Amino acid sequence: GENVEQHPSTLSVQEGDSAVIKCTYSDSASNYFPWYKQELGKGPQLIIDIRSNVGEKKDQRIAVTLNKTAKHFSLHITETQPEDSAVYFCAAPSDYKLSFGAGTTVTVRA
Amino acid sequence: SQTIHQWPATLVQPVGSPLSLECTVEGTSNPNLYWYRQAAGRGLQLLFYSVGIGQISSEVPQNLSASRPQDRQFILSSKKLLLSDSGFYLCAWSPDLAGHGEEQFFGPGTRLTVL
Repeated sequence: GENVEQHPSTLSVQEGDSAVIKCTYSDSASNYFPWYKQELGKGPQLIIDIRSNVGEKKDQRIAVTLNKTAKHFSLHITETQPEDSAVYFCAAPSDYKLSFGAGTTVTVRA
Repeated sequence: SQTIHQWPATLVQPVGSPLSLECTVEGTSNPNLYWYRQAAGRGLQLLFYSVGIGQISSEVPQNLSASRPQDRQFILSSKKLLLSDSGFYLCAWSPDLAGHGEEQFFGPGTRLTVL
């Protein structure tokens, strides 16, 4: 099955700075990579995803990059704001399921 | 549009009592359904998934069980709760696209405390 590793486990950034979270995966056949944001006490929310036929995808202040050769993908948040503080999870498909990373707790300091 | 509901939102139960958590999905048909548990400050642990009515796959041995009595209804149960069953229970669904578990959408979760 798929094995997803996520780094760092915690990330503290100054408001306005950028945040980068990296994930690696093990199954070279994986072709879909979503990112989820989970706010305290709520269910994870899909914020962006990328498929293996593209190398980068942007949506306003967030972007995801994919390097299939190296089997890693990253989430980039620019111009961070206090509302970006949350736990972020990456994932990769495995049969009928998603294998999730362990999560990154992002804290944006005002 | 599709929506996913979970209830109850919070639950406090004594050790040894039964459990029933319900999840329903609206606006789609034949979804794949999933139950996850999340301990405080931890990641997502997949408990069960279902690709159709009556088809349940268990990921980890435990005292929990799942059932899917209707296409868009997924139930998590226990006959006797343990202290270790405390946690945040999340239901999720994904469209049945050639059998791949992509694009999972999560419900609001149920916070279970076992005392």
